Amino acid sequence: DAKTTQPTSMDCAEGRAANLPCNHSTISGNEYVYWYRQIHSQGPQYIIHGLKNNETNEMASLIITEDRKSSTLILPHATLRDTAVYYCIVRVNSGAGSYQLTFGKGTKLSVIP
Amino acid sequence: NAGVTQTPKFQVLKTGQSMTLQCAQDMNHEYMSWYRQDPGMGLRLIHYSVGAGITDQGEVPNGYNVSRSTTEDFPLRLLSAAPSQTSVYFCASRRMGQATGELFFGEGSRLTVL
Repeated sequence: DAKTTQPTSMDCAEGRAANLPCNHSTISGNEYVYWYRQIHSQGPQYIIHGLKNNETNEMASLIITEDRKSSTLILPHATLRDTAVYYCIVRVNSGAGSYQLTFGKGTKLSVIP
Repeated sequence: NAGVTQTPKFQVLKTGQSMTLQCAQDMNHEYMSWYRQDPGMGLRLIHYSVGAGITDQGEVPNGYNVSRSTTEDFPLRLLSAAPSQTSVYFCASRRMGQATGELFFGEGSRLTVL
């Protein structure tokens, strides 16, 4: 699976958009980009995933560059409850569902009142 | 809907003792896995299973055993605990047969080995 690079930490003002970058310059054409987050010491929680197109759900938006070498997770209106470690993960689509997810150190997002 | 349930939530062991961390899911997921997370680190995969009777090693399998006798349960066994196994352990599950299945995590089991 391609390696990902994320900033160690970021701050965001409450109510503003939080933009979390992820670099995956070695990504190949069949690799998905996933985002998970871990609030305090709870189990990680799925946020969103994408392959080529931008994606949006009730939690966030995922913007993938045209060359797919980087992506940005956008939390449109950050709240204090969004303070968490955010993990960007790239993995191969094996088709049969027999893949593993590798979690790096992620980005510690602090939402400030 | 309980999701993924881990027990115990906290455990203290002495070096050399054995124990089993329990994990159960009620979503009929074929895939189950165990991760460990050390302070300031990401999660590292210990073992995983793609169905009853099938298990395989992850990134850090040494010192741990698993078995999968039913779809619902995936226990993690420490045969002779060592201080290096002090960590938070997470169990996770998801459907197979989908290219992009969401991984559901339990709340974690915090293990201290003295």
